[in-house]
Amino acid sequence: AAGVIQSPRHLIKEKRETATLKCYPIPRHDTVYWYQQGPGQDPQFLISFYEKMQSDKGSIPDRFSAQQFSDYHSELNMSSLELGDSALYFCASSPREAGGYTFGSGTRLTVV
Amino acid sequence: AQKVTQAQTEISVVEKEDVTLDCVYETRDTTYYLFWYKQPPSGELVFLIRRNSFDEQNEISGRYSWNFQKSTSSFNFTITASQVVDSAVYFCALSEARSSASKIIFGSGTRLSIRP
Repeated sequence: AAGVIQSPRHLIKEKRETATLKCYPIPRHDTVYWYQQGPGQDPQFLISFYEKMQSDKGSIPDRFSAQQFSDYHSELNMSSLELGDSALYFCASSPREAGGYTFGSGTRLTVV
Repeated sequence: AQKVTQAQTEISVVEKEDVTLDCVYETRDTTYYLFWYKQPPSGELVFLIRRNSFDEQNEISGRYSWNFQKSTSSFNFTITASQVVDSAVYFCALSEARSSASKIIFGSGTRLSIRP
């Protein structure tokens, strides 16, 4: 069965650079969520989209932005990267029925 | 507000011992979902179980079992006859069931180490 696809799997960037993470949800899943997991931390909710509109917002820095496109894939754009942005970034998708989440394998971002 | 508390930061047991991971949650919603995820060293989040708030039946899946008690707002996870491969960080999580776009809130996780 198709899963949530995240790309790239690993990314190394320098401070003050920009990064774009991509997420391809499971077909017919209309909601996408982004999470950030710092070292030794639990995943923290950043932002979600339902039917291409932002539906909820968590502790997402102003330097980050995200959107969901017409094909339901989503991109998380991160600018002016800081060392503290180094983390594992997860994308999850869910269908119309509540509670059916599927997580991607994550993108490990390292800022040097 | 929703909150998930996993009071046990780290647990270490010898292989073949039984181990229980505690999870206590807070929510004002009457309808919600509870989850357990496993995160091995490779980093991916592995789904273990989802429980609807209306279903308090305990569940067993092989060596894994879950005890859901609404009266104490707890959703504990027991591994029987633990194995080294069970070593991982385990997260308990909660989401509302009100809408299809409800986010998951994670607990802080319990790092489980199984010693040979």
